[in-house]
Amino acid sequence: DVKVTQSSRYLVKRTGEKVFLECVQDMDHENMFWYRQDPGLGLRLIYFSYDVKMKEKGDIPEGYSVSREKKERFSLILESASTNQTSMYLCASRVGQLQPQHFGDGTRLSIL
Amino acid sequence: QKEVEQNSGPLSVPEGAIASLNCTYSDRGSQSFFWYRQYSGKSPELIMFIYSNGDKEDGRFTAQLNKASQYVSLLIRDSQPSDSATYLCAVTRAFGYALNFGKGTSLLVTP
Repeated sequence: DVKVTQSSRYLVKRTGEKVFLECVQDMDHENMFWYRQDPGLGLRLIYFSYDVKMKEKGDIPEGYSVSREKKERFSLILESASTNQTSMYLCASRVGQLQPQHFGDGTRLSIL
Repeated sequence: QKEVEQNSGPLSVPEGAIASLNCTYSDRGSQSFFWYRQYSGKSPELIMFIYSNGDKEDGRFTAQLNKASQYVSLLIRDSQPSDSATYLCAVTRAFGYALNFGKGTSLLVTP
């Protein structure tokens, strides 16, 4: 079974803090993704990575950056957290372009 | 932005009935189609995927794809209360690596 692990289930941070969300997959997948999910808005793609050190902006990249130094790990960084970044953050990975994405358990992030 | 449309529901079906969930998409270049189940407060879980026109069956689940009509559906036979969840339809984009997700259909199976 594919295992995608997100470092925290719940996280509370303060406005202006730099926040790191970590995601690790154990299946040697090429592609990794970060989404946020908000009521009424559905899943929205923030960033994705198609290989180590390679990244592309998704649909809502503003206020976020990412890092992928090793194949198994994909980090999402909130450069200066704001209250409108309070959300459920979901990491996903997949082996190839037409294959299913597998999700981690999610991180519910609250910015106060 | 290419769209994936789903009826938000809730779709209510009695236990043991067939639940039919529908999805339309606008990107004609989409090649892969996925159904995810999401329980409240949990992350999406892959249920089915389909690449070719026609039906694909897995246990109580059947995915149906009609590329000419740009239509994907998920049938759940012998619905159980544990099937109560939100079902997300997702399709690959014609260009690039990302998926387009629908906003999901809420299914309620009543005992």
